Amino acid sequence: GAVVSQHPSWVICKSGTSVKIECRSLDFQATTMFWYRQFPKQSLMLMATSNEGSKATYEQGVEKDKFLINHASLTLSTLTVTSAHPEDSSFYICSARDYQGLTGGDEQFFGPGTRLTVL
Amino acid sequence: RKEVEQDPGPFNVPEGATVAFNCTYSNSASQSFFWYRQDCRKEPKLLMSVYSSGNEDGRFTAQLNRASQYISLLIRDSKLSDSATYLCAVNHPQNDYKLSFGAGTTVTVRA
Repeated sequence: GAVVSQHPSWVICKSGTSVKIECRSLDFQATTMFWYRQFPKQSLMLMATSNEGSKATYEQGVEKDKFLINHASLTLSTLTVTSAHPEDSSFYICSARDYQGLTGGDEQFFGPGTRLTVL
Repeated sequence: RKEVEQDPGPFNVPEGATVAFNCTYSNSASQSFFWYRQDCRKEPKLLMSVYSSGNEDGRFTAQLNRASQYISLLIRDSKLSDSATYLCAVNHPQNDYKLSFGAGTTVTVRA
């Protein structure tokens, strides 16, 4: 149980294009999902908290107009990197919180990540 | 001061050895604590949750010291496959269940 999928697993795009990343909780409902970014040899940095049916909450320094988040259902959140630039190249990882407590606590489970390379 | 701090290591240990490392947190209201394991270029995988004084799962033992505000992870009888970066994560109710992560402790187990 507690499986989170993410698609695509990697993407290479040209500067100026937009990239959409999907995060799905496969066997549980997630009212809250989180989006992180991780640069090489650094820790996970929380970008935003995605709540089903409401606007995402962005961390300080994260541009909400550049990183669009939509959480349309209890099992799907999407992150769109708009007008991507080379400095946006990173490892983007989502996580989902099992709000029903099927796993016994409030753990977060991570998707496999999306490696974005912007040329 | 960072909210969650870890010794980055690396801890280089021989197979079969015991290795232990700590994670300190600054918010005394924190209630839930987690250890995640992250392999190179992969996502973090939950290793252990710590809600009370500690938790044990096979060769892994986590302990929580609320007075000194740290959690520890101990790995007994290290295997080559234990080589990874171990991330400490802390959350607290006021923070909408967000997790704050440490920068990770790198462990390398050698043959």
